[in-house]
Amino acid sequence: ETGVTQSPTHLIKTRGQQVTLRCSSQSGHNTVSWYQQALGQGPQFIFQYYREEENGRGNFPPRFSGLQFPNYSSELNVNALELDDSALYLCASSLSGGHETQYFGPGTRLLVL
Amino acid sequence: GESVGLHLPTLSVQEGDNSIINCAYSNSASDYFIWYKQESGKGPQFIIDIRSNMDKRQGQRVTVLLNKTVKHLSLQIAATQPGDSAVYFCAEKNQAGTALIFGKGTTLSVSS
Repeated sequence: ETGVTQSPTHLIKTRGQQVTLRCSSQSGHNTVSWYQQALGQGPQFIFQYYREEENGRGNFPPRFSGLQFPNYSSELNVNALELDDSALYLCASSLSGGHETQYFGPGTRLLVL
Repeated sequence: GESVGLHLPTLSVQEGDNSIINCAYSNSASDYFIWYKQESGKGPQFIIDIRSNMDKRQGQRVTVLLNKTVKHLSLQIAATQPGDSAVYFCAEKNQAGTALIFGKGTTLSVSS
């Protein structure tokens, strides 16, 4: 069984640029949730995708957007990057719209200069 | 509102001791709680979960206790080992049942 994978592992961008992060869900999981984790804090929910549609969203602006593909993999896109977007971005997969346990990937560390 | 918090930011124990990490939650309607372990540079790793119709659940060397009366959750680790050193987060499901609401975490340091 393959766990959750994310790419890239690290990324450096400058303010105003755009970034795309990728996530492959655990085998058999149809739901992907994205979280932002600032240094020293707990993860904060960005949004969730279930059956290729957004299934819930946290308190993040519209410049954070996402996609889910038919194979259940997902992308997180962030436009007009700000310095405060520097964080660890975590993807978690689960079954059935997130009502089951969420299993996390290793994360993508984003640094915005 | 929904929020989850932990009582102590750090906990230091000796190898072989039992560790207890505490967590308070605010949403009395929450029905699902999870403990995660996060090592430096890695994503959170699932440890154990519990639903609100239970007050205790045991895993391998870990036990989670849920006290709904005072909205308190605890993680007990038996015979703590150096490999248990990490940041531990409790989390609860939000009201929609989609997102996890995390606290700030407790850093467990195990000395040998």
